[in-house]
Amino acid sequence: DAKTTQPNSMESNEEEPVHLPCNHSTISGTDYIHWYRQLPSQGPEYVIHGLTSNVNNRMASLAIAEDRKSSTLILHRATLRDAAVYYCILRGYNFNKFYFGSGTKLNVKP
Amino acid sequence: DTAVSQTPKYLVTQMGNDKSIKCEQNLGHDTMYWYKQDSKKFLKIMFSYNNKELIINETVPNRFSPKSPDKAHLNLHINSLELGDSAVYFCASSQEIEASGGADEQFFGPGTRLTVL
Repeated sequence: DAKTTQPNSMESNEEEPVHLPCNHSTISGTDYIHWYRQLPSQGPEYVIHGLTSNVNNRMASLAIAEDRKSSTLILHRATLRDAAVYYCILRGYNFNKFYFGSGTKLNVKP
Repeated sequence: DTAVSQTPKYLVTQMGNDKSIKCEQNLGHDTMYWYKQDSKKFLKIMFSYNNKELIINETVPNRFSPKSPDKAHLNLHINSLELGDSAVYFCASSQEIEASGGADEQFFGPGTRLTVL
């Protein structure tokens, strides 16, 4: 099973951009890169996903390295409500394999 | 409208009891999942059902048995509860489109906190 490596925690100031890194050196060619986040006392929620090209949506942007061995989730302006654990996950064509790592706990300071 | 709902939200019970957690999704998805989140916050997939058929059964004790009466429901029944079963259990669903090859989004329920005394 493909694994991801993320920093345990990061800190950001409110209204500043945040770059959350993820290493996935064992990624295979058909694996999608997914990001989910889990706010305190809630279930995980989808943030964004991509395959090869950078992606943008209303929540965040996903920058994928050219060799796909790493990616970065970008929150353009962090708010206090963005404080959560962010998980980087690889999702393969065997679509039922979906493993969460330990994630990055993001703390946003006012 | 709640997309994925679970009942109960909290469940406190004694060791050795049998209990069930219910999950319902109103998204029209054909795949549902159960996850366990332990005290260290690690999320692990337990089961996956696609169109009422068991797809994934990770290394989970036989005391855990998922039941899917229809596509919108996936209940988790636990026999002979043990202290180590204490955790938060999340139900999730997704629309597995085979052609997506991994691009689907999973929707999670709010979780059920199970405490075994």
